[in-house]
Amino acid sequence: EPEVTQTPSHQVTQMGQEVILRCVPISNHLYFYWYRQILGQKVEFLVSFYNNEISEKSEIFDDQFSVERPDGSNFTLKIRSTKLEDSAMYFCASRSLQGSQETQYFGPGTRLLVL
Amino acid sequence: AQKVTQAQTEISVVEKEDVTLDCVYETRDTTYYLFWYKQPPSGELVFLIRRNSFDEQNEISGRYSWNFQKSTSSFNFTITASQVVDSAVYFCALMNYGGSQGNLIFGKGTKLSVKP
Repeated sequence: EPEVTQTPSHQVTQMGQEVILRCVPISNHLYFYWYRQILGQKVEFLVSFYNNEISEKSEIFDDQFSVERPDGSNFTLKIRSTKLEDSAMYFCASRSLQGSQETQYFGPGTRLLVL
Repeated sequence: AQKVTQAQTEISVVEKEDVTLDCVYETRDTTYYLFWYKQPPSGELVFLIRRNSFDEQNEISGRYSWNFQKSTSSFNFTITASQVVDSAVYFCALMNYGGSQGNLIFGKGTKLSVKP
């Protein structure tokens, strides 16, 4: 069964450093998303991406964040200058335009720790 | 405003008990989707069910059942004969249709502990 994959599973970085989180969505999906979950809290929407551009973004997704689909398979989230409060689990999700098109399937997440 | 409320923060039951997880939502849209996801201790988000606003038929899948009531804006989830493997955080989520690109609005989750 196709699934969303994310790398790395864990990342530790120093405050102020740039990080890139990578995702490979399910191959025939066309909508892509990033969410984050601070430890013990709810899952929060960051950004949605469709047709090679951002469709919607939340207040959390400020100028420090960017997304990119550099090739036909990867979908990345970059945090330019990490802050302590960026420590969280980051989930990538993708959604199809066919079949169960309303359902988002999530990757296993990347746990980011900013020191 | 769109909002999902899961009033139960934590529930603890003994194996084989039935348990119901509550979810109340708010939306101005007439077309929307509701979801339940399971987050086991390993951290991933596992899709359980999707319901659209036009389909109030309750659904049963094995030990899981869902009760969708538009009149009370609720989408409750019942686990029958709970098992230790059901221990997880369960999230209810709302997606509005049309306009937005379908981002999910999650509740705060209910942590279910099933003890042997």
